Amino acid sequence: GDSVTQMEGPVTLSEEAFLTINCTYTATGYPSLFWYVQYPGEGLQLLLKATKADDKGSNKGFEATYRKETTSFHLEKGSVQVSDSAVYFCALRNYRGGSEKLVFGKGMKLTVNP
Amino acid sequence: EAEVAQSPRYKITEKSQAVAFWCDPISGHATLYWYRQILGQGPELLVQFQDESVVDDSQLPKDRFSAERLKGVDSTLKIQPAELGDSAMYLCASSTLDRGNEQYFGPGTRLTVT
Repeated sequence: GDSVTQMEGPVTLSEEAFLTINCTYTATGYPSLFWYVQYPGEGLQLLLKATKADDKGSNKGFEATYRKETTSFHLEKGSVQVSDSAVYFCALRNYRGGSEKLVFGKGMKLTVNP
Repeated sequence: EAEVAQSPRYKITEKSQAVAFWCDPISGHATLYWYRQILGQGPELLVQFQDESVVDDSQLPKDRFSAERLKGVDSTLKIQPAELGDSAMYLCASSTLDRGNEQYFGPGTRLTVT
């Protein structure tokens, strides 16, 4: 079945450091790919998405490019802030018999220190 | 901006008791999802509704879990009897084709079974 493997944390960075969170997937067909963020005590929020190969999703300084040849969707940010402290989930969405469920990785907790 | 509402936010129950969670999706969203998120893991789909019909409940433990969406609007997820292993965050999400089926998540209900 479909699956997502992502870099596990926790990771602690200093403010203004560069961030990369690796994500690879296994899926048949042409899934859409997502990064979700979960702040403490809150539900998941969509951070960015890409629906086809070579698409780049971007939001709030974060970027990720859909690489079909390497089945990857790595998340990057050039300069993290304290407010970026959260748990980050990589996910894919595939159409299966009427269902478009999201399949998530295990998540990575990021802490950014001032 | 409209949000997915869930209640209660926190629930503590003893094993073998019954427990129920409620979700009110964003108005006009035809698709509703229930996910379970075990601590340290990504969310996993339990059940997906399209209006009042179940589209996917393949991962729902039907011996103890039930879900309904009688009028195709709000939904209830029930566990009876609760077991220690059911301790988790239960997330509700909704989506509409008009917005590319992007899933919007509620804040979740954190269940602790003692």
